[in-house]
Amino acid sequence: GESVGLHLPTLSVQEGDNSIINCAYSNSASDYFIWYKQESGKGPQFIIDIRSNMDKRQGQRVTVLLNKTVKHLSLQIAATQPGDSAVYFCAENWRNTGNQFYFGTGTSLTVIP
Amino acid sequence: NAGVTQTPKFQVLKTGQSMTLQCAQDMNHNSMYWYRQDPGMGLRLIYYSASEGTTDKGEVPNGYNVSRLNKREFSLRLESAAPSQTSVYFCASSEMGGKQPQHFGDGTRLSIL
Repeated sequence: GESVGLHLPTLSVQEGDNSIINCAYSNSASDYFIWYKQESGKGPQFIIDIRSNMDKRQGQRVTVLLNKTVKHLSLQIAATQPGDSAVYFCAENWRNTGNQFYFGTGTSLTVIP
Repeated sequence: NAGVTQTPKFQVLKTGQSMTLQCAQDMNHNSMYWYRQDPGMGLRLIYYSASEGTTDKGEVPNGYNVSRLNKREFSLRLESAAPSQTSVYFCASSEMGGKQPQHFGDGTRLSIL
């Protein structure tokens, strides 16, 4: 788990603004990444994933960017809403490690109405 | 469709007591996982079951045992609880394991006195 992390602990944004949440990793063998959202008292909820053969992937109001050169992953949330307030964390899977994922500690996003 | 269901939601144990955490999924997934989540740390894998009839150790298996009872159910047992096992435990499942998103339950909050 040490290779995933270095999140900012908290992020506050105004409702309607775009949010960017970052994640750094150190293992060049990482080839699959997932972003999860975790609301208070709930389990992690899948948001979006990306494989290392891609640089960008878009979902509904979310975009994940992968920069393999600097080993950096980001989650962009467009038009942030109060319901987006939660902890967001990334997880990585290394090549040839099968079912083992390594999770970051998370960034707490607060949306100010 | 309930997804991943964990019981109980909360439990307090005394040191040395034993307990089994239950998990069931109704998505016909092959792979199931047990994680623990501690403050300031990312989720850490305790055990996983890639398919019915198989179980494997994860990152932090000491002090735990698991049983894949059938395709739907995967239980986690603490034989002699220790204060260091105070944590929030999450069960997850995925369709085939490996590089796929995992679906999480809402956790069991376990305190050991």
